[in-house]
Amino acid sequence: NAGVTQTPKFQVLKTGQSMTLQCAQDMNHNSMYWYRQDPGMGLRLIYYSASEGTTDKGEVPNGYNVSRLNKREFSLRLESAAPSQTSVYFCASSGSYEQYFGPGTRLTVT
Amino acid sequence: QKEVEQNSGPLSVPEGAIASLNCTYSDRGSQSFFWYRQYSGKSPELIMFIYSNGDKEDGRFTAQLNKASQYVSLLIRDSQPSDSATYLCAGATDSWGKLQFGAGTQVVVTP
Repeated sequence: NAGVTQTPKFQVLKTGQSMTLQCAQDMNHNSMYWYRQDPGMGLRLIYYSASEGTTDKGEVPNGYNVSRLNKREFSLRLESAAPSQTSVYFCASSGSYEQYFGPGTRLTVT
Repeated sequence: QKEVEQNSGPLSVPEGAIASLNCTYSDRGSQSFFWYRQYSGKSPELIMFIYSNGDKEDGRFTAQLNKASQYVSLLIRDSQPSDSATYLCAGATDSWGKLQFGAGTQVVVTP
């Protein structure tokens, strides 16, 4: 039982490049989330998916898109990376009140 | 201004003492509150949640909620060096899913 997995663990992009962060959970959870964490800012919600087939914007959605591919997988895409998107990205899932977090992806945009 | 506010710390606590962490929130629609612990370089993990006014105890941890004052706190009794981490306070607004996180309080337990 792996819980929540994320790939890649580290990534360096140049400004303007695109990439997709992958997230998968094996806990049969309905809800999944993408957060970014910056020093001194805590966790900020980018997008979430309350159930398969639905997605909604969170607090900081600009510059990102998401896809809930199926119940297990929720991907986050950066179409044209900017230095302001340098951050640690966490995926999480929940079946009730507790959110379970993946190990994170450390992204640097130069 | 963030909707959930925490002192960033660091909060330095001698081993064996009580660590007291505070959190205030501005959204009166927030119904449930969560405390997550995050070790450096790791992902957050849930340690407590509370949704009723009053105290809730779980082992060495006690969460306190006062909705009238819009205040949540976490007490860590008999603090251990392994408690050294950042503690994130979060409030749930329109559903269990959407959480508003504070910036976190760093706790350092000194032997």
